[in-house]
Amino acid sequence: DGGITQSPKYLFRKEGQNVTLSCEQNLNHDAMYWYRQDPGQGLRLIYYSQIVNDFQKGDIAEGYSVSREKKESFPLTVTSAQKNPTAFYLCASSIASGTGNTIYFGEGSWLTVV
Amino acid sequence: SQQGEEDPQALSIQEGENATMNCSYKTSINNLQWYRQNSGRGLVHLILIRSNEREKHSGRLRVTLDTSKKSSSLLITASRAADTASYFCATDRTGRRALTFGSGTRLQVQP
Repeated sequence: DGGITQSPKYLFRKEGQNVTLSCEQNLNHDAMYWYRQDPGQGLRLIYYSQIVNDFQKGDIAEGYSVSREKKESFPLTVTSAQKNPTAFYLCASSIASGTGNTIYFGEGSWLTVV
Repeated sequence: SQQGEEDPQALSIQEGENATMNCSYKTSINNLQWYRQNSGRGLVHLILIRSNEREKHSGRLRVTLDTSKKSSSLLITASRAADTASYFCATDRTGRRALTFGSGTRLQVQP
């Protein structure tokens, strides 16, 4: 089945640690996105990538890093510089970035700081 | 920054009633989309309306767009318990190649 796979579903991070959330898609989409969702809130854009080896900061990129070495993969690293990382993280993709494209979401990853 | 703000934040109705959710946004847009999210899950696309369209239908969904007021509404007719979810508007605004989401409306449909 085509889709977006995020792993792990649940992740716990200790203070001062970096953690990486995985996102893989087999939809042959060029564009990929990372959003953060806090409980009861909307989605905020962290990073997005329009094509391999290229990515742009979103509204809340501080404390996060990404890479796009392969079309299928867009991992997100939550660094120790992110002071309040506890949230639900959603990866998404679309056939291309830009106007009029539907984006498809993974099932999300819950990150909790312990 | 949140481009869209949904109203109301929460809505509780009985099965069979209609549910109306509103979205306001701040900047010029190319199109507006509505997404649905079941609790703890990813979002699913419902419908897209372009800036030159005023109304669009899809099954039990009806979306309107008023670009002069920078607002949109989503109407779900004859609601079902399975419609219980959060609903988000998302705008595709000029100069930005990623969707910006609103804060969402949590809909509860009582059986």
